[in-house]
Amino acid sequence: DADVTQTPRNRITKTGKRIMLECSQTKGHDRMYWYRQDPGLGLRLIYYSFDVKDINKGEISDGYSVSRQAQAKFSLSLESAIPNQTALYFCATSPPAGGQGRAGELFFGEGSRLTVL
Amino acid sequence: GDSVTQMEGPVTLSEEACLTINCTYTATGYPSLFWYVQYPGEGLQLLLKATKADDKGSNKGFEATYRKETTSFHLEKGSVQVSDSAVYFCALSWARGGADGLTFGKGTHLIIQP
Repeated sequence: DADVTQTPRNRITKTGKRIMLECSQTKGHDRMYWYRQDPGLGLRLIYYSFDVKDINKGEISDGYSVSRQAQAKFSLSLESAIPNQTALYFCATSPPAGGQGRAGELFFGEGSRLTVL
Repeated sequence: GDSVTQMEGPVTLSEEACLTINCTYTATGYPSLFWYVQYPGEGLQLLLKATKADDKGSNKGFEATYRKETTSFHLEKGSVQVSDSAVYFCALSWARGGADGLTFGKGTHLIIQP
């Protein structure tokens, strides 16, 4: 079984619908992230959480919200989906930062492909 | 802000050719540098990393050296295989206000032909 599991893997929805993407992990990491991947734009950070009570906006948080239900679960919601939110979404986890507060390795799920018509 | 610039793709090579994928960065302080690889239909996985200047990261025949003077972290491999076909992302670590994370480049699609 994968250490970082995303559901659903694929979803097609219509403009205006509410969508939730779920992420669960068995790595025991406190840090969890949501990224979106678009062709030619690479990965962009949407939200991140360093523990259950800590939620932070990334560079493209508008139109998204998150919930950290437990250490192992981090959900991404689109309250009213729009076509330009069509993308591949990745959840990732990481252990605490190493020396000098620098980020270490990220562990990614296999992605959730969302299409908004 | 911190940023990563890597060469545009796709890069198409024949099997056993030499590979270089350029990566340069802009950052405050001394970030750690990473190369991630994404095989078709999969998530990203760490390929190699370097945490300080002049460090060399290596894995699966790939190498990259942290060059502070040129703010670069170019990915190299002496002889590529068809199985190396994937998208490669250069990334750097950032830290500010008690938080930290990774910033990624836009990715380079590598295609290796038999």
